[in-house]
Amino acid sequence: GAVVSQHPSWVICKSGTSVKIECRSLDFQATTMFWYRQFPKQSLMLMATSNEGSKATYEQGVEKDKFLINHASLTLSTLTVTSAHPEDSSFYICSARGDSGANVLTFGAGSRLTVL
Amino acid sequence: AQKVTQAQTEISVVEKEDVTLDCVYETRDTTYYLFWYKQPPSGELVFLIRRNSFDEQNEISGRYSWNFQKSTSSFNFTITASQVVDSAVYFCAPHGGKLIFGQGTELSVKP
Repeated sequence: GAVVSQHPSWVICKSGTSVKIECRSLDFQATTMFWYRQFPKQSLMLMATSNEGSKATYEQGVEKDKFLINHASLTLSTLTVTSAHPEDSSFYICSARGDSGANVLTFGAGSRLTVL
Repeated sequence: AQKVTQAQTEISVVEKEDVTLDCVYETRDTTYYLFWYKQPPSGELVFLIRRNSFDEQNEISGRYSWNFQKSTSSFNFTITASQVVDSAVYFCAPHGGKLIFGQGTELSVKP
């Protein structure tokens, strides 16, 4: 079945540094990838939709300069949290949709970011 | 805009009990999908079911069953003979272009 690999699974960084999270579709081509964040005991909030070769579409209230998304190939999307602050600490989850039109999203295992 | 209401924040049952998780959604899309995902303590999301808005047949998969009522915009999920391993947060999510999650229901199954 479709597999999405997300890396790193957890990361701790100092305030002010930037952190990059990778999302890879291992056995299928993902024309669209979605990035979510989840605070403890809360739901998943859609941050942005990235399409291969074009700029990401951000949801209202999400700072595009803060959360840089790049989808340079059909198998890789990256989320960079720039100048991270403690309030950016969260669980970030990516998902990928192939080009089969089935609308079933495959999710990565998530990346837990802690900003000190 | 899509909206999902999972009115039950937490449910606690004893093993072998049946439990139903409610989901009510709002969407302006005429065609859409409805999903249920499970999120165990590990955090990884597990796909459970996808239902096309045109297909109102109820579905059963082992101990899991789903009741889709388009007239009331509900897509409820029932676990029969619950087990401790069913303990997780369950999310209902309509998809009309993008997947929007409900608040989730945390199910705790005690032995």
